[in-house]
Amino acid sequence: NAGVTQTPKFQVLKTGQSMTLQCAQDMNHEYMSWYRQDPGMGLRLIHYSVGAGITDQGEVPNGYNVSRSTTEDFPLRLLSAAPSQTSVYFCASRDRVTTGELFFGEGSRLTVL
Amino acid sequence: SQELEQSPQSLIVQEGKNLTINCTSSKTLYGLYWYKQKYGEGLIFLMMLQKGGEEKSHEKITAKLDEKKQQSSLHITASQPSHAGIYLCGADRLSTGNQFYFGTGTSLTVIP
Repeated sequence: NAGVTQTPKFQVLKTGQSMTLQCAQDMNHEYMSWYRQDPGMGLRLIHYSVGAGITDQGEVPNGYNVSRSTTEDFPLRLLSAAPSQTSVYFCASRDRVTTGELFFGEGSRLTVL
Repeated sequence: SQELEQSPQSLIVQEGKNLTINCTSSKTLYGLYWYKQKYGEGLIFLMMLQKGGEEKSHEKITAKLDEKKQQSSLHITASQPSHAGIYLCGADRLSTGNQFYFGTGTSLTVIP
């Protein structure tokens, strides 16, 4: 059972470049979300989805796009990377049926030069 | 605004010592989750508390939710180097229902 898989683990971008962080889960969870983690700021919610075809904004959505075409996948797109987007990104899926627990990927460390 | 305040921000303890981390909310909580993050890794679920006065334990870690459901504490007994990491509390933001948010975290270092 793979759980939540994020790729890539590390990425370096130049300002203005675009990229997609991939996230896949095999637990059939309807709820998926993306967070960014910065020193002293904890984890901040970027976007989330309560099911295929449904997405919504979190606390810090600017500069990021998401889509949810399947239950399994929830990619995060940076359209024009900025140095302020240098961060560690975490994808999570949530078991809302039983415990409410969030299951996290291992994180993607992004550096924008 | 940050609605979950954690204290202390960081903690350095000698192995074998007990410690407590606090998580305070400005609003009533309807479920409070504790997670641990080892440095450079993802988050691992520890415990969830739902009822006022509830207390749960797992190995040497005990978490409590106060009667008013606005404050939770995480207590580690006889700390070990394996307890080192970042501890985060999290909860659902009731105004939106579907947003799960976290406190700022407490960084724990255990000196052997």
